[in-house]
Amino acid sequence: KNEVEQSPQNLTAQEGEFITINCSYSVGISALHWLQQHPGGGIVSLFMLSSGKKKHGRLIATINIQEKHSSLHITASHPRDSAVYICAGSGGSEKLVFGKGTKLTVNP
Amino acid sequence: ETGVTQSPTHLIKTRGQQVTLRCSSQSGHNTVSWYQQALGQGPQFIFQYYREEENGRGNFPPRFSGLQFPNYSSELNVNALELDDSALYLCASSWAGALNGELFFGEGSRLTVL
Repeated sequence: KNEVEQSPQNLTAQEGEFITINCSYSVGISALHWLQQHPGGGIVSLFMLSSGKKKHGRLIATINIQEKHSSLHITASHPRDSAVYICAGSGGSEKLVFGKGTKLTVNP
Repeated sequence: ETGVTQSPTHLIKTRGQQVTLRCSSQSGHNTVSWYQQALGQGPQFIFQYYREEENGRGNFPPRFSGLQFPNYSSELNVNALELDDSALYLCASSWAGALNGELFFGEGSRLTVL
């Protein structure tokens, strides 16, 4: 059974801080998606990783295949980064297994 | 703006009623997946459609059914609504075979069952 576990569940930071959200996944998952969900409910895909590291602006995602672990980092955090961040795994198709999400609040 | 639109955005139904939710996928995308997200939880996979055929199903009863049309838009139908069906229903479209595996989500349809 594919499973995805995220931590922490809630995270509060001050503007400018470096943030890390972690995700562990089970055997059978070959790709990891990082998603951002705002209070209205819409989800935006940030990254899809099957190996290595990807960077987009202040966001960096890494994956360690041997340890079945991925991290999402936000540098120089800003209040507009406040959202729920979700990692989701897939086993070779677009059928995703989602973590429960990390609610990030960045205070000015 | 992801190019994926869902309708309606909000609706209220009563137990036992039926509901149809709609999703227009991004142009060129041939795969649509539907997810149910209960309050405070991560989304759960309902089913996926690829080129008008169901291509996998999660742990949902048969009263959850779907369709994909030739233009790749999709519907989710839920019969005999139960209180626990209250949730945000999300669709995500993609192009099967895309190298980066990117998904595009709609804003969701929030269903409340009374």
